[in-house]
Amino acid sequence: NAGVTQTPKFQVLKTGQSMTLQCAQDMNHEYMSWYRQDPGMGLRLIHYSVGAGITDQGEVPNGYNVSRSTTEDFPLRLLSAAPSQTSVYFCASSYSWYGSYNEQFFGPGTRLTVL
Amino acid sequence: AQSVSQHNHHVILSEAASLELGCNYSYGGTVNLFWYVQYPGQHLQLLLKYFSGDPLVKGIKGFEAEFIKSKFSFNLRKPSVQWSDTAEYFCAVNRYNQGGKLIFGQGTELSVKP
Repeated sequence: NAGVTQTPKFQVLKTGQSMTLQCAQDMNHEYMSWYRQDPGMGLRLIHYSVGAGITDQGEVPNGYNVSRSTTEDFPLRLLSAAPSQTSVYFCASSYSWYGSYNEQFFGPGTRLTVL
Repeated sequence: AQSVSQHNHHVILSEAASLELGCNYSYGGTVNLFWYVQYPGQHLQLLLKYFSGDPLVKGIKGFEAEFIKSKFSFNLRKPSVQWSDTAEYFCAVNRYNQGGKLIFGQGTELSVKP
């Protein structure tokens, strides 16, 4: 299993540009999430999904869109990038276990810089 | 709103010293609790987790954590740290049956001097 994969690893954007961060998992996990990591602030949840076709907002959803058309993929879209979105983005997935939440497996991250 | 607080932002220890990192959360219902570690340049890895049962849980690499429900705390401990434990440590909380919505603390950077 490849686990959770993310592309690209690094990206530089100009203000106003759009892009999609890709995330895929091959573990048949129901739950997928996107986080951003900023110094001194830990990881903050952007959006999450509890299954294909179902998404919901996390702590910091503004400026980001998501969709979940398949179990495997959970792309994160920046419609109009802003310097405040400069961050490291992590995708994560977890499986359902007897109705309880279980540990999340993290991807390697995407380092995004918005100029 | 549910929040997670880690008391120490940066801890510096010498090898063989004992470690305790504090974590408190604000949610009053049933929670699942986690400690993750991020080694320099790497992604997050699970150290240990608590769902139910014995409040003292043991994880990888000699780490353990104690859940004290009355104090809303889940502190991480290790009796004797090594230089290789240098990393950032994150406490995280999830409300029971709210899969995917994991709330992290701010993180504690641990530096271990050889």
